[in-house]
Amino acid sequence: DTEVTQTPKHLVMGMTNKKSLKCEQHMGHRAMYWYKQKAKKPPELMFVYSYEKLSINESVPSRFSPECPNSSLLNLHLHALQPEDSALYLCASSQTTDTQYFGPGTRLTVL
Amino acid sequence: DQQVKQNSPSLSVQEGRISILNCDYTNSMFDYFLWYKKYPAEGPTFLISISSIKDKNEDGRFTVFLNKSAKHLSLHIVPSQPGDSAVYFCAGTSNDYKLSFGAGTTVTVRA
Repeated sequence: DTEVTQTPKHLVMGMTNKKSLKCEQHMGHRAMYWYKQKAKKPPELMFVYSYEKLSINESVPSRFSPECPNSSLLNLHLHALQPEDSALYLCASSQTTDTQYFGPGTRLTVL
Repeated sequence: DQQVKQNSPSLSVQEGRISILNCDYTNSMFDYFLWYKKYPAEGPTFLISISSIKDKNEDGRFTVFLNKSAKHLSLHIVPSQPGDSAVYFCAGTSNDYKLSFGAGTTVTVRA
C-alpha cells in the first residue's frame, strides 16, 4: 500500500483567511514533503520533514507554515496568501531518500 | 539551472505501439532516477525507477534504460494503451531528499 491522503481536495480562501492543508500516510515512511505545482509545470519542493524534524525549507515565504504533529501527519498552515499562491499543493512521503509517493493534492484558489 | 531536461513536450502514439520518452540530465551526482505519470488535477504516480549502477529496469509494460556516459535515460511503454495518456515526468536525485524534475512530456495514445 503506497497511499498518501490529503484533505481538503479543493479549497478557496480570501487573502485575509487562515486555513490548513492536511496530509496523512500510514506506510511508516520517515520523510514527508510539501510541494507546489502550477499548471503544466513540474512540482516544486517547499519543505521536507525527516523523522518529524524540518530538514529542508526551500526559501518558502513565511505565509506558509508547515507542521509535523507525528510521523504519520503533515500540515501546511496558510495565512495571508496572495492570488499567485493559487496552485495544486502536493504532499509526498518516502521511506528512504529516493522514491517519493505523492498524494492526490489540494487544489487551492486564493481570491 | 535545469538539471533534468525532457526535450519533447508531447508525444502521440497509436494504441498497441511503443511509446519512447527521453530524458537528459546534467548533474553527475545523480545516482537514482524515477519516472512519474500524472493525470490532470491529480498527484504524480510513481511508475518505475533505476539506480545508477544498473542500465535497465523492467516492470510489466514499462522499461527504463540508463546510459550514464551520455547522461540519458528513456522510458519505453509497450504496448501503449489509452489509459497511458498523461503527462510523464522524469526525475533525478542524489539521495538528498530532493527530486529534480524535467518539464514533462504529454503522451497521447490514439485509438
